This record gives sequence, structure tokens and C-alpha cells, in this order.
Amino acid sequence: GAGVSQSPSNKVTEKGKDVELRCDPISGHTALYWYRQSLGQGLEFLIYFQGNSAPDKSGLPSDRFSAERTGGSVSTLTIQRTQQEDSAVYLCASSLQGRLSTNEKLFFGSGTQLSVL
Amino acid sequence: DQQVKQNSPSLSVQEGRISILNCDYTNSMFDYFLWYKKYPAEGPTFLISISSIKDKNEDGRFTVFLNKSAKHLSLHIVPSQPGDSAVYFCAASATNYGGSQGNLIFGKGTKLSVKP
Repeated sequence: GAGVSQSPSNKVTEKGKDVELRCDPISGHTALYWYRQSLGQGLEFLIYFQGNSAPDKSGLPSDRFSAERTGGSVSTLTIQRTQQEDSAVYLCASSLQGRLSTNEKLFFGSGTQLSVL
Repeated sequence: DQQVKQNSPSLSVQEGRISILNCDYTNSMFDYFLWYKKYPAEGPTFLISISSIKDKNEDGRFTVFLNKSAKHLSLHIVPSQPGDSAVYFCAASATNYGGSQGNLIFGKGTKLSVKP
């Protein structure tokens, strides 16, 4: 596609429910990233994919968070047993090869606003 | 511990004047720095970057300055325009270090308001 696409754009859920957030990166981009932005905070790194593997999962805040990527394309971020502190904007980004430099940029989607009641 | 710090949460500037946004970092392995701009309900968009081999990079109204000894960078916007009103994020990467060569570490952002 022309840009990074995320769905849904908004998600309201009840505490304790599971949610799945989807990211469709730019076609041909092998690197995919998930970030989140909580209210008043910066962008917090969650996980990085190179192809279908995740060499860096260091940002996942707990074992309730998991992510997968299939076919080197679409990625799903799953949050199990959601808590109110999970409320945030979840942003997905992609880049061509994951070697950020003056010749390779990181492109973001518009994010999913998750609200846990 | 925050590796990238933007200590001013907000900045207000008059149209036509210069906007200066500041960013400090702590990790000496960082060698690539970027500024992203974010409007409400949109994802961040790339604005300008600088490699650690340079101390200045200019693109139109936007200039980024890097002071490696002080671990400090700044973004200058001149002249500032009302359409520049947005949240500006500073980001850094250690492109040749460790496993995740592509990971960017972001600051908390500075909200710039340019008044007509």
C-alpha cells in the first residue's frame, strides 16, 4: 500500500478483555516496529520485526503483550487481559531494511487509540 | 532512565520568529539523530535527520545542530509558521550497535504553538 495502515483506528474495551491491533506496513518493507504513546509520554518502543522474526522484544511491558508477523507483511499486536494502564495510542512503523540512515526512513501509521474502561 | 530527553514540554513562538527545540541524550553509542513532527490523530512524520559525522544539517526552514561533546541537539525553524504548530519528537539510534539496528529511541516531545 501507499502508507502504513493500522486498524482499528479506535478501540474501546473492558478491563480483562483481549484485544488485537493490526498493522499493514508499506509494501516491500522488511522492518516493522510497534511503539505506544501513553498520555503525556513519548513514543515507547515495544517490539521490532525483521521479516517474520523479532530480534528485539525488549520493550514489551509484560507477558500479556505479544506480537507476530506473517508473510513478512502484516503484524498483529495482541494484549491479553487488558488493564486500564494499557490505554494509549499504539503506533506501527516500517522501514525498508531496518538500517536507518540518511537513505532509509521510518514511516508511521496513524495509530490505534486503545481505551480500556 | 530516559536516554533521549526533551525538557521543554511546550514552546510558544510568534509567527515569523525563530523556534528552537532542544534535545539531550545520554547514550554515547547514538550516532544518528532525527526529528519527527506529529499532528493530532496522525502518526509522526519524518522532518530532518543528522548523522554524528556532521554538526549541522539544513533543509529549507529547518536546521538541526548537533553538539556531540555536550550530547545535545537542537532544531531551528525559521521563519516559524502557524502550520508548524505540532508536537516535535527528537529520536536517536545506535546504527552500528547491538542487535536492533533499526530501533529509534524517542523523547517525550515538545508541543510547538506558532501564533499568528
